[in-house]
Amino acid sequence: GAVVSQHPSWVICKSGTSVKIECRSLDFQATTMFWYRQFPKQSLMLMATSNEGSKATYEQGVEKDKFLINHASLTLSTLTVTSAHPEDSSFYICSALSGAQETQYFGPGTRLLVL
Amino acid sequence: QKEVEQDPGPLSVPEGAIVSLNCTYSNSAFQYFMWYRQYSRKGPELLMYTYSSGNKEDGRFTAQVDKSSKYISLFIRDSQPSDSATYLCAMRAGGGNKLTFGTGTQLKVEL
Repeated sequence: GAVVSQHPSWVICKSGTSVKIECRSLDFQATTMFWYRQFPKQSLMLMATSNEGSKATYEQGVEKDKFLINHASLTLSTLTVTSAHPEDSSFYICSALSGAQETQYFGPGTRLLVL
Repeated sequence: QKEVEQDPGPLSVPEGAIVSLNCTYSNSAFQYFMWYRQYSRKGPELLMYTYSSGNKEDGRFTAQVDKSSKYISLFIRDSQPSDSATYLCAMRAGGGNKLTFGTGTQLKVEL
């Protein structure tokens, strides 16, 4: 149990385009999901907390107009990187909060490369 | 000073060794403690989840929490090459759900 999927697993795009990443909890409902960013050999950096049916809460320094988050159902949250630039290239990981176990289960990550 | 300190390693051990991974923290409000394993280019996988002080064992893994010393440990017995990964400690306070992570310790188990 407690499986989280992400799609796509990797994406290459041109500078200026927008990219959408999906995060799904497959076998449990998650009212809260999280989006992280990870640079090589570094730990996870929380970008935002996504709550079903309400606006996401962004961490300090994260541009909410650049990283659009939508949590439309109890099993799906999406992160859209708008007008992507090379500095947005990174490994994006989502997690879903399991209410039963009060802990986060992570997706496999999405590697984004902006050319 | 970071809220959670973790030696980044790398830590290299022979197959079959007992591995000890540790984190220290400064926030006394942390009550829930987790260890995640992350393979290269993959998302973190939950290994152990403990509440407050004490020990928890699951197969070859044992998690220890000493809240009085603000110190947590993960022990891996009979380490295998497949245990080679980065191990992240994470913790949170009782009233919230945001995790604070350590930087991760890179472990390599050699044949």
